[in-house]
Amino acid sequence: QSVLTQPPSVSAAPGQKVTISCSGSSSNIGNNYVSWYQQLPGTAPKLLIYDNNKRPSGIPDRFSGSKSGTSATLGITGLQTGDEADYYCGTWDSGLSANWVFGGGTKLTVL
Amino acid sequence: QVQLQESGPGLVKPSETLSLTCTVSGDSISSYYWSWIRQPPGKGLEWIGYVYYSGSTNYNPSLESRVTISVDTSKNQISLKLTSVTAADTAVYYCARLVATKVDLWGQGTLVTVSS
Repeated sequence: QSVLTQPPSVSAAPGQKVTISCSGSSSNIGNNYVSWYQQLPGTAPKLLIYDNNKRPSGIPDRFSGSKSGTSATLGITGLQTGDEADYYCGTWDSGLSANWVFGGGTKLTVL
Repeated sequence: QVQLQESGPGLVKPSETLSLTCTVSGDSISSYYWSWIRQPPGKGLEWIGYVYYSGSTNYNPSLESRVTISVDTSKNQISLKLTSVTAADTAVYYCARLVATKVDLWGQGTLVTVSS
């Protein structure tokens, strides 16, 4: 059971837009920056979005992030078959001790 | 460019200790937090803990009693020890760099199987 809640799967057609939600609480998303990670099949995760909505160099602007209250959202426009991957949100959880937490992951299928 | 490379036994017997090393190349490990993150087959990511280059640590409460993460600045290496392993500890183990609000660099991961 992950601290951050993501839908197990989403799907959309090539060229379309999809959003992936990440729901938490005031001890994590509500008071900390959110980052997103893309894990292509058989590879290590890669940083996709950080500080809620910033993109590392090399990440296309088709990928975007936002945060409102205790939830965050990853958006992907102009879907490509190469975007098929698992996506994870992550952030600090400032409970009794500062721990890093991940969402359970969302499998994106590009139909 | 900075690279992280995990190494260690791919097979560990139940009740024994899992030991992995992460070698950082291309930069000093100073001034960063270094994490271990694992992923059981077909499942999601689980943060194990982190070590600061100074040696201070913080662990996932669910693993804290069995985990030790340490740093060797002279070798630019981070180590993970997980004691009393069971089949539930079978996973791909990733070494990663934690910078303030993000995990910005990941190793390729190493699969560790717990089996007799």
